[in-house]
Amino acid sequence: DAMVIQNPRYQVTQFGKPVTLSCSQTLNHNVMYWYQQKSSQAPKLLFHYYDKDFNNEADTPDNFQSRRPNTSFCFLDIRSPGLGDAAMYLCATRGTGANYGYTFGSGTRLTVV
Amino acid sequence: AQSVAQPEDQVNVAEGNPLTVKCTYSVSGNPYLFWYVQYPNRGLQFLLKYITGDNLVKGSYGFEAEFNKSQTSFHLKKPSALVSDSALYFCAVTPGGYNKLIFGAGTRLAVHP
Repeated sequence: DAMVIQNPRYQVTQFGKPVTLSCSQTLNHNVMYWYQQKSSQAPKLLFHYYDKDFNNEADTPDNFQSRRPNTSFCFLDIRSPGLGDAAMYLCATRGTGANYGYTFGSGTRLTVV
Repeated sequence: AQSVAQPEDQVNVAEGNPLTVKCTYSVSGNPYLFWYVQYPNRGLQFLLKYITGDNLVKGSYGFEAEFNKSQTSFHLKKPSALVSDSALYFCAVTPGGYNKLIFGAGTRLAVHP
């Protein structure tokens, strides 16, 4: 089945140690998003790609970076994780036309120790 | 400002009874409306969407929602609740042609046996 896959499901990292979360999709959608979700709050958009065009939200900390090497893959890099960065990170894609809609991955739960 | 309101933090309902989870929105342009469900430590699972057409939208697992333009509402309903419906529900909107999905704060649904 076409889907959005996030790896790993659970990630534990040390305070200040860089970490990368990955997302892949088999939907061939040209828009990909990264959201941060804390404690059952509403997901907060960090950034998105429209094809290779990167769009950063104004309030996304510089500590968060992203890469999209091709249509299928997108990465979230946290350069120096702090305790406040512990959260669920959600990747999503968006289809167009008749397939308009947002598809979310299962998320990666990040713990910072 | 564009926003989504879910006025109830939690909704409690007995199994077998009808349920309603409320959502109102404020956007410029035509709203594209969505409902998602989230189980613990999981991503967002799509339930249904309204883009155009019939105001009553039927979705997954027996859920439906009615788009009411005059009241700017998109309430989620189900005729007979199941214990397995207990989860966190998010309403979301994206103004027509705009890329960002705006989420409500979420409503926790608790269905009691």
